[in-house]
Amino acid sequence: ETGVTQTPRHLVMGMTNKKSLKCEQHLGHNAMYWYKQSAKKPLELMFVYSLEERVENNSVPSRFSPECPNSSHLFLHLHTLQPEDSALYLCASSQDGEGTGNTIYFGEGSWLTVV
Amino acid sequence: GQNIDQPTEMTATEGAIVQINCTYQTSGFNGLFWYQQHAGEAPTFLSYNVLDGLEEKGRFSSFLSRSKGYSYLLLKELQMKDSASYLCAVRDSNYQLIWGAGTKLIIKP
Repeated sequence: ETGVTQTPRHLVMGMTNKKSLKCEQHLGHNAMYWYKQSAKKPLELMFVYSLEERVENNSVPSRFSPECPNSSHLFLHLHTLQPEDSALYLCASSQDGEGTGNTIYFGEGSWLTVV
Repeated sequence: GQNIDQPTEMTATEGAIVQINCTYQTSGFNGLFWYQQHAGEAPTFLSYNVLDGLEEKGRFSSFLSRSKGYSYLLLKELQMKDSASYLCAVRDSNYQLIWGAGTKLIIKP
């Protein structure tokens, strides 16, 4: 079983739909992240949860809504998205703390297409 | 502002050596990471440097010079499976990760 799993792997949704992306980590980490990856652009951090509390928002539009019910699960709720939101959405986790390097481990991503 | 620069694309020959450079300007420094990402897959961790010098891991090595704001990833004995994008990221003084746009490495037979 891989360390960080994401579902669905591919999602096509209309601009008026509501859908959710799901992430689960099996590494015993205490921090989880949502990133957006667009072609030829740096990874964009969207949300960070540390010990189940959101610690960063980075001015993400409200049509993206995260939820972290416990340290192993993370959701990204999607509502009235725009075509420019089409991208690869990556979930990641890390173990925060001194001396760990806080190495981030990624899931395989969810390819989102908004039509 | 904070910035990570790395070449957009590089081409190398199977069996050869390639060096992928990364320069950074960040507010503080708390470590530099290299990740490999095959097309359509997740980035996977390759290396972490926090002190100056060379870290070697099999065919892959990563070098850091904090005074120059510079790192490189060295890949030896290139194999076709090394064709991928290589991402450089720096953790700043606030422990935020600043990412480069990645270098697409193409390996030719």
